[in-house]
Amino acid sequence: SQQGEEDPQALSIQEGENATMNCSYKTSINNLQWYRQNSGRGLVHLILIRSNEREKHSGRLRVTLDTSKKSSSLLITASRAADTASYFCATDADGNKLVFGAGTILRVKS
Amino acid sequence: EAGVTQSPTHLIKTRGQQATLRCSPISGHTSVYWYQQALGLGLQFLLWYDEGEERNRGNFPPRFSGRQFPNYSSELNVNALELEDSALYLCASSLPIKVLVSGEQYFGPGTRLTVT
Repeated sequence: SQQGEEDPQALSIQEGENATMNCSYKTSINNLQWYRQNSGRGLVHLILIRSNEREKHSGRLRVTLDTSKKSSSLLITASRAADTASYFCATDADGNKLVFGAGTILRVKS
Repeated sequence: EAGVTQSPTHLIKTRGQQATLRCSPISGHTSVYWYQQALGLGLQFLLWYDEGEERNRGNFPPRFSGRQFPNYSSELNVNALELEDSALYLCASSLPIKVLVSGEQYFGPGTRLTVT
């Protein structure tokens, strides 16, 4: 079973726009991670946010975490066509085993 | 620095056969994880090895097994293949759990297993 639920399932935007993806989870966590996957290939680690952090930035990425609502969001600013991919959140609800959400498919049109 | 590597890239087997998938972690990483990404089922945790020991196992039948070698590379074996085993198998590695402060897992490109 999956811990997280991403929202929306799919998102289509124009290049230059911002993209926001949300993730909800069910149990207490130590940290939450976001990954990107291009066309059924391996996962690329984007960012990790710990349970005692509320916001984290990495380049054009901004992640927020609200442990009271058991939710996280990933914001990609000034999107590019190369950002087209599937995005997954993953939690460590069961030790080092990562539990993934179903993912958001992002399409950035140029 | 080399990332996680997996071989083969693609593997085609028939029902009932056995498949062996291989993974080499990032240098300095001792933990290796296996995940299955099957169509419609998402990414599911399979196995976690650290220091040669199996540390955790997902909800998969015993015909999914593996091992970790002294150099920390790992093998995933799937016996008595079934059609529903067709999936992308992803390997990830991380720093030793006793020094792990952040929890990042770094993934390889995957092995696409097709069972016909």
